[in-house]
Amino acid sequence: KQEVTQIPAALSVPEGENLVLNCSFTDSAIYNLQWFRQDPGKGLTSLLLIQSSQREQTSGRLNASLDKSSGRSTLYIAASQPGDSATYLCAVTRLQGTYKYIFGTGTRLKVLA
Amino acid sequence: GAVVSQHPSWVICKSGTSVKIECRSLDFQATTMFWYRQFPKQSLMLMATSNEGSKATYEQGVEKDKFLINHASLTLSTLTVTSAHPEDSSFYICSAGLPGRVGETQYFGPGTRLLVL
Repeated sequence: KQEVTQIPAALSVPEGENLVLNCSFTDSAIYNLQWFRQDPGKGLTSLLLIQSSQREQTSGRLNASLDKSSGRSTLYIAASQPGDSATYLCAVTRLQGTYKYIFGTGTRLKVLA
Repeated sequence: GAVVSQHPSWVICKSGTSVKIECRSLDFQATTMFWYRQFPKQSLMLMATSNEGSKATYEQGVEKDKFLINHASLTLSTLTVTSAHPEDSSFYICSAGLPGRVGETQYFGPGTRLLVL
């Protein structure tokens, strides 16, 4: 059974810091991995999608890496801003089947002005 | 881009009543939709996979008779919480994938917050 864990569970940093969020999964037979952002009481916003054959994806100040063999992914946020405050979720889909997402436990980020 | 809507955005109901939540793909047809539940400060847990024109597939531990799913058209899936109880209070989110590209990414609705008194 696939289990997805995120560390740290919560993080509070001053504005301008670079930070790394971690995601680990127990079954390396994944189709893709995706990072999402969730604001309080809201739905999900997709940030980055990494296919299993890829090593990393970049979008603006965000960079996500994937090491499938070790079951790990990191989300790097450069020059953090108060607007980055949210919960960040990673999710993996299985290699075969219905492509349903298994979500991680989430990291609650607060960037202080 | 692909947009998924949910209605209502929030609902309060009395214990014992049934509540229907709608999930619509606004600008694309979705043969498969997914329903998730999220309790406070917890992650999203998949409840069921909704397939257009056929029965939903439920995850282990999810009561299919309590959470009725109907995917009657290519743009609409509904989740009905029957005989709701306070422990059913949660945030319900649906998602849909583009036809033939479900494995690539999914688009999530804004969620429905349910409070059962």
